[in-house]
Order: sequence, then structure tokens, then C-alpha cells
Amino acid sequence: QITLKESGPTLVKPTQTLTLTCAFSGFSLSTRGAAVAWIRQPPGKALEWLTLIYGDGDERYSPSLKSRLTITKDTSKNQVVLTMTNMDPVDTATYFCAHWPGYGYGLDYWGQGTLVTVS
Amino acid sequence: DIQMTQSPSTLSASVGDRVTITCRASQSISSWLAWYQQKPGQAPKLLIYKASTLESGVPSRFSGSGSGTEFTLTISSLQPDDFATYYCQHYISSPWTFGQGTKVEI
Repeated sequence: QITLKESGPTLVKPTQTLTLTCAFSGFSLSTRGAAVAWIRQPPGKALEWLTLIYGDGDERYSPSLKSRLTITKDTSKNQVVLTMTNMDPVDTATYFCAHWPGYGYGLDYWGQGTLVTVS
Repeated sequence: DIQMTQSPSTLSASVGDRVTITCRASQSISSWLAWYQQKPGQAPKLLIYKASTLESGVPSRFSGSGSGTEFTLTISSLQPDDFATYYCQHYISSPWTFGQGTKVEI
């Protein structure tokens, strides 16, 4: 059974760096086939895809946020870490991590999300 | 970036209605499209991937169709549990963008 859970601060100040951890179980992120993505959702607004890391370590970023985002994985701990620099109140959102099983599939398992407020 | 545009933004319907939501891509994405359902306070739930493949456990009243740039999600007979917001998302290439969502309300 695949599970994912986000953790990190609920409140950050403007200009600070946000670090969120996605702890997962039920799959291995050590081969190209799988990936973990981060998606966010400002209150009352739509989903926004942020970044993705494949099992082989390859990374993809949203062009509009690329300069501020870093995604890493720790295979031994079954964790994926998202870092976002220079936080602004417009970055207030629920941040989700999600599992991608591989080519052709959608994001099939999601964490519950964590609300981050920038103020 | 590939832009995804959903219509309508809001849809009012009744239990038993047939409901269709459209998603248009700004360029061809072949069949690399997924549909998600999201209820307030919950994470999105995958309904359909590869434009028309039903995710395991999803009721058969949900169906997807389309390829290239135009896609539809159809709910054949709307049930009380289906009142939610629906999102399309492409995954042909990075960045994987979402549509703006369609809220299905009573």
C-alpha cells in the first residue's frame, strides 16, 4: 500500500526559505520508472504543478519557479524534500506530494497536503 | 508551456444528470491526460489517465475521451458523491500543467 505524508512548517516569514519533506512508503524511488511530484494549491484556487523527481534522480521544474525550487530525494529514508527560497505571501498554499507510477499514468497516490502560510 | 483550459468553470446539475466537462490543450498532448476529482479539504483523487483509462476502483459512470488537444470527462448519471471540483492535467512533457478546474454543484 502506497502512502505519502508531507511535513514542515505551517508558518514562514517573507524572504525565508521553506523546506518540506514528503515521507513515503510502499514503493521505491530508486529506478527511473517512478517519480514523486510536488503540487500546490492556494486557498480557493486551482492546483499548480511545481516539480518532479524521477527515481534515477532526474529533476523537472516549473519554469516560473525554477530559480526558487530544489527537489531532492533520500532513497534510504524514503523521503523527498522540496526547498523553496524567498517565500512571499502569494506562496501561501496547501502543498501536496504525489506518486507517479511511470510512463502513461497519472498521479495515483497523494499525501493529505500541508498548509503553509507566509506572513 | 502547454496551457490547459477547462470549460465550464462551474456547472450546476442534478442527481441523475449526464455531465460533460471539456479540457483543451494549447498544443497536442496525444493521450497524455489525466482527470482528478477533488472535494473540499481533501487531496485530489485520480479518476482517469491516458485520456480514457479508468483508474482502479473508480465507478464506471466516469469516462474520458479525446486525443490531441480536446478531451472530455463524462459522468453518465451524477450521484450525490460526485459534487466536487474536477481538474485535467497533461503529462506529455514538463511542466505538467493543470486546468483551472470545473466545480460541479447542485
